[in-house]
Amino acid sequence: QQPVQSPQAVILREGEDAVINCSSSKALYSVHWYRQKHGEAPVFLMILLKGGEQKGHEKISASFNEKKQQSSLYLTASQLSYSGTYFCGTESRDTDKLIFGTGTRLQVFP
Amino acid sequence: DSGVTQTPKHLITATGQRVTLRCSPRSGDLSVYWYQQSLDQGLQFLIQYYNGEERAKGNILERFSAQQFPDLHSELNLSSLELGDSALYFCASTGGGVGTGELFFGEGSRLTVL
Repeated sequence: QQPVQSPQAVILREGEDAVINCSSSKALYSVHWYRQKHGEAPVFLMILLKGGEQKGHEKISASFNEKKQQSSLYLTASQLSYSGTYFCGTESRDTDKLIFGTGTRLQVFP
Repeated sequence: DSGVTQTPKHLITATGQRVTLRCSPRSGDLSVYWYQQSLDQGLQFLIQYYNGEERAKGNILERFSAQQFPDLHSELNLSSLELGDSALYFCASTGGGVGTGELFFGEGSRLTVL
């Protein structure tokens, strides 16, 4: 039931782009994206409710393909502050559980 | 500051003991979630309460229990503690169903079992 994220880790130079994928085996109602810096609490980035809808937050955007139960997080022109672990969280139609994925560790270097 | 308060921030105890972790949600939030995060691991869903009632359950051990009180604060009770229970326990709150909004996380309670 836990969504699967890929890749597990990404290393970037400032200004480079990255894509993080999240897929589930269950029909999804929503997908959340959170970023967690080391030793801190996860912080909300965005939520996607409709199939194919894309939302944005600064230079971070995401898409949700409801039919494929997949979501992708796009980070463009990465900044040092983007470093952290990114988690997708999925909610299916029959439950209020928000189940988080395995996480993707992103490191941005100057 | 997310507005979610968790106490204690740090707790060190011995195997076999029992501890209680407390969470005060953001003002007005009816829903409380508990997650366990072991060292460098993901966020494991434990349990969710909505307005005092249990709404969803994850892989919560039988040694663990939780409740949400009329004032909406929640407590997570961990008993017969084992070394493997050492982890960061997060509480998060939201206004209603998850699909309607974001989760606001507390800073976590770090439990160390020796």
